[in-house]
Amino acid sequence: DIQMTQSPSSLSASVGDSVTITCQASRDISKFLNWYQQKPGRAPKLLIYDASNLETGVPSRFSGGGSGTDFTFTISSLQPEDIATYYCQQYDTLPPRLTFGGGTKVEIK
Amino acid sequence: QVQLVQSGAEVKKPGSSVKVSCKASGGTFSTYAINWVRQAPGQGLEWMGGSIPLFGTANYAQKFQDRVTITSDESTSTAFMELSSLRSEDTAIYYCARDRRQLSLGVAFDTWGQGTMVIVSS
Repeated sequence: DIQMTQSPSSLSASVGDSVTITCQASRDISKFLNWYQQKPGRAPKLLIYDASNLETGVPSRFSGGGSGTDFTFTISSLQPEDIATYYCQQYDTLPPRLTFGGGTKVEIK
Repeated sequence: QVQLVQSGAEVKKPGSSVKVSCKASGGTFSTYAINWVRQAPGQGLEWMGGSIPLFGTANYAQKFQDRVTITSDESTSTAFMELSSLRSEDTAIYYCARDRRQLSLGVAFDTWGQGTMVIVSS
């Protein structure tokens, strides 16, 4: 199975800061990479699919990039409501296999 | 807008089985895969498997291959996940989640159930 290494595991930043999370795959996964936000006590929410596509209704301060083995997720201007844990997730389709990164907990300084 | 509503919390003994349901409403059921993802207390997310109701067959993560069964009932738009031979490490929140594209399985999940807490304890 493909392993996803996500970093950092936690970060603290001020409101308005730009925040970047990285995810590294153990082998080339092209652009088969998604990003989710999970707030405490809630189900995850899809933010970015296929590395860089913003899901409908998601604010434009969220963005994703990368391909192959190295991916980034950026919040351009951190807001108080962005406090959450963020997960990357890769997928294979033949056969279906998917794995999540370990998560990054984002807090306000 | 599709909604997924899961069954309530369960407390089970080690060695027993649990069956969690996930009822869809407000959209097409048969052609969108329902996946199951679990989250142990304070831990990350783990995909267990999924199924496209139209086709009936399921795909499972290797870790759960021998213990999980995912089924669906198109007449009630309900998906089920049954996990057998429960052990304490199976204590977790179990989520159902729908793939965002028709006829794709285990790609990206745009709709999630509220989660079902399963506690395994003697």
